[in-house]
Amino acid sequence: KAGVTQTPRYLIKTRGQQVTLSCSPISGHRSVSWYQQTPGQGLQFLFEYFSETQRNKGNFPGRFSGRQFSNSRSEMNVSTLELGDSALYLCASSSLGQPGETQYFGPGTRLLVL
Amino acid sequence: DQQVKQNSPSLSVQEGRISILNCDYTNSMFDYFLWYKKYPAEGPTFLISISSIKDKNEDGRFTVFLNKSAKHLSLHIVPSQPGDSAVYFCAASAQDGGSQGNLIFGKGTKLSVKP
Repeated sequence: KAGVTQTPRYLIKTRGQQVTLSCSPISGHRSVSWYQQTPGQGLQFLFEYFSETQRNKGNFPGRFSGRQFSNSRSEMNVSTLELGDSALYLCASSSLGQPGETQYFGPGTRLLVL
Repeated sequence: DQQVKQNSPSLSVQEGRISILNCDYTNSMFDYFLWYKKYPAEGPTFLISISSIKDKNEDGRFTVFLNKSAKHLSLHIVPSQPGDSAVYFCAASAQDGGSQGNLIFGKGTKLSVKP
């Protein structure tokens, strides 16, 4: 099986712009979670989608949003970018998103905001 | 307030010896724990997990120990190999109305295994 894929791998934007990141989960996986990794805060949970519905949300401002399509692919969007949004954005998938299931991560999208 | 803490940012070990990575947590509702390994420019790779109903889980060179009373878990790598050099993240999750919720990660420990 192919693993979790994320596009693009690298992105440079300027303050005030918006960005859309894409994630394709492992085939058959229906739960997709997004995480932000920064040197100071480590890995922090953004949100989780299951069957096209946002099921859980972390403590991030409304500028961060996401969606999931019927084929389980997911996108996340960040509007009005700030310098502090520079980070590695990781997507993870699991079969049903049930407690005890392992999440498998993609390689991430590295976003630099200038 | 960090719910999952990895107090050692780095650890250096000689090849062939044991590596012990530690993790503490504060939330008694956590019932599933995982260890991930991360190389630069790659996403975290799942290593091993343990449910709160167990106190030990072993997979090859990797063993995870869970001490619920102390809210502490550790990852043992025996014998350590240079290819094990990476950042290791401890993560925890709690059941939440039947959904997975999110994984709470520690900030990681960078392991260096010297030949």
